[in-house]
Amino acid sequence: DIQMTQSPSSLSASVGDRVTITCRASQGISTYLAWYQQKPGKVPKLLISAASTLQSGVPSRFRGSGSGTDFTLTISSLQPEDVATYYCQKYDSDPRAFGQGTKVEIK
Amino acid sequence: EVQLVESGGDLVQPGRSLRLSCAASGFTFDDYAMHWVRQAPGKGLEWVSGISWNSGIIGYADSVKGRFTISRDNAKNSLYLQMNSLRAEDTALYYCAKATAYSSSPADYWGQGTQVTVSS
Repeated sequence: DIQMTQSPSSLSASVGDRVTITCRASQGISTYLAWYQQKPGKVPKLLISAASTLQSGVPSRFRGSGSGTDFTLTISSLQPEDVATYYCQKYDSDPRAFGQGTKVEIK
Repeated sequence: EVQLVESGGDLVQPGRSLRLSCAASGFTFDDYAMHWVRQAPGKGLEWVSGISWNSGIIGYADSVKGRFTISRDNAKNSLYLQMNSLRAEDTALYYCAKATAYSSSPADYWGQGTQVTVSS
């Protein structure tokens, strides 16, 4: 089975900072990659599908990129409301593994 | 408005069975694949199982294969998860999630979850 590995597992950054989270698949998955945001006590929210397609209503400061095995989620200017755990997920085939998550906090 | 309401979670002993249900509304249920995703206390998301719009494609995580069975009833706009031979490590909040399309696609709507606790 394909494994998804995210890094870092947590980060702390200042408001306005550029934040980058990486997700690596153990085998190529083309662009069948989604990013989710889960705020504390809330259900996950789909941010990006197909590696780089921003979902409707998601702020443009979020950007996804990559294909094959290496993917990136970038927040161009971190805002207080972005405090959350972010997960990548492959969906090319079953099992649809998630990464272990990256917890983003404000410094 | 899309709504997904899970039910059936409970406290059960190891080795017992449980059936989760998810009632869907606000969209054409039989146009979309559906998934179950779980989250153990303080842990990350774990995909459990998924089913295509017509039940033709079904998949399971290795951790539940042979013990859990996913199904759907498009006439009742409902998704199910039959959970047998439950283990302590199955303890989690179980989410029902709607895919963005009929097959290979991510989940764009999630229910609030139903709690399953496996303990003696």
